[in-house]
Amino acid sequence: EAEVAQSPRYKITEKSQAVAFWCDPISGHATLYWYRQILGQGPELLVQFQDESVVDDSQLPKDRFSAERLKGVDSTLKIQPAELGDSAMYLCASSDNDLGTRGNTIYFGEGSWLTVV
Amino acid sequence: SQQGEEDPQALSIQEGENATMNCSYKTSINNLQWYRQNSGRGLVHLILIRSNEREKHSGRLRVTLDTSKKSSSLLITASRAADTASYFCATEERGSTLGRLYFGRGTQLTVWP
Repeated sequence: EAEVAQSPRYKITEKSQAVAFWCDPISGHATLYWYRQILGQGPELLVQFQDESVVDDSQLPKDRFSAERLKGVDSTLKIQPAELGDSAMYLCASSDNDLGTRGNTIYFGEGSWLTVV
Repeated sequence: SQQGEEDPQALSIQEGENATMNCSYKTSINNLQWYRQNSGRGLVHLILIRSNEREKHSGRLRVTLDTSKKSSSLLITASRAADTASYFCATEERGSTLGRLYFGRGTQLTVWP
């Protein structure tokens, strides 16, 4: 069964350092999402790509977060500098975004846990 | 906020019992979905119900949708210890061109053997 791949699984970084997460979506999925999930809460969308273009980054803290999907396949989410409040799980997800018929079912990776100390 | 809100926040039952979780939302929707998350793992899609549907079944899962009350329920019948997880409802807003989903805070279900 096709999966969304993410790495690293766990990351501990010091405050003010840079950190990056990588995601490889399910093959053929044009839509890629990065979500942030704080412990005890639901996922919140940070950024959404359609192919290589950003279509929604309204919730992305752009002063410190950046995301790219240069070839419209895999993606990187970067945080620089990291702050204590960034400690969370960062989930990548993808979909074929079939809005016309089945509805937009999203497939998630296993997530990357970030602890900022 | 357009997020769904699940109720209860936590639910603890014995194996074999049924588990019911509820979700309320605020806006008109295209569909509502339920996802499951095992501790420390990613979310897994369980079931999608469209706004023109009232009930849907998948194995031991039964989902209902009442658009007049802006609410949904997820029923897990004959629960098993392996059903222990967090369950999230997610809504796709009506007219959405991007298919963005809004997630609630989840219900933590614990099923005791």
